[in-house]
Amino acid sequence: KAGVTQTPRYLIKTRGQQVTLSCSPISGHRSVSWYQQTPGQGLQFLFEYFSETQRNKGNFPGRFSGRQFSNSRSEMNVSTLELGDSALYLCASSLGQGIGELFFGEGSRLTVL
Amino acid sequence: TQLLEQSPQFLSIQEGENLTVYCNSSSVFSSLQWYRQEPGEGPVLLVTVVTGGEVKKLKRLTFQFGDARKDSSLHITAAQPGDTGLYLCAGDLSNTGKLIFGQGTTLQVKP
Repeated sequence: KAGVTQTPRYLIKTRGQQVTLSCSPISGHRSVSWYQQTPGQGLQFLFEYFSETQRNKGNFPGRFSGRQFSNSRSEMNVSTLELGDSALYLCASSLGQGIGELFFGEGSRLTVL
Repeated sequence: TQLLEQSPQFLSIQEGENLTVYCNSSSVFSSLQWYRQEPGEGPVLLVTVVTGGEVKKLKRLTFQFGDARKDSSLHITAAQPGDTGLYLCAGDLSNTGKLIFGQGTTLQVKP
């Protein structure tokens, strides 16, 4: 079956702009989690959506937001971009029941200039 | 401060050597997972351990969950160049499905 698809794969923005990243989970998966990966901090949990509701949230500022649609596809938005937002943003899907395997996409690499 | 501390952060060894990667915390986890990530790809699950003291083997990889469920280790026997990658441990604090990741161990196995 098709894996997790993230778009775009690469993007360059300037400070102050906003960006929207998209994630299509594996068919049948109802949970989508977002992570920020940087060399210094590793994978940091942003938030998790399950059946269109935010179920968990990490310690990121309000500039980071997300949503999930009825087909389980998810988007995350970062407003007023800062240089420190440059990172690989990873989306992971799972069935969402208890602890199961997270299936990651290849990520969206964001560079903020 | 990382909730999950991995050590070492970098490891470069020759093919055929053995190695152990550690994942430590002061917190108790209901479960712990190990992932491997290759450049340009997302992490891929290797194993999930749930019970304190549990040991799981995956070919040349041996995973152990500490008795108190605060730490875990990954041991690779006779490492091969194909084992090269970033190894990540991830723990679930309260069985919520919210995984906390360690910073990772970058392993390079030279032929």
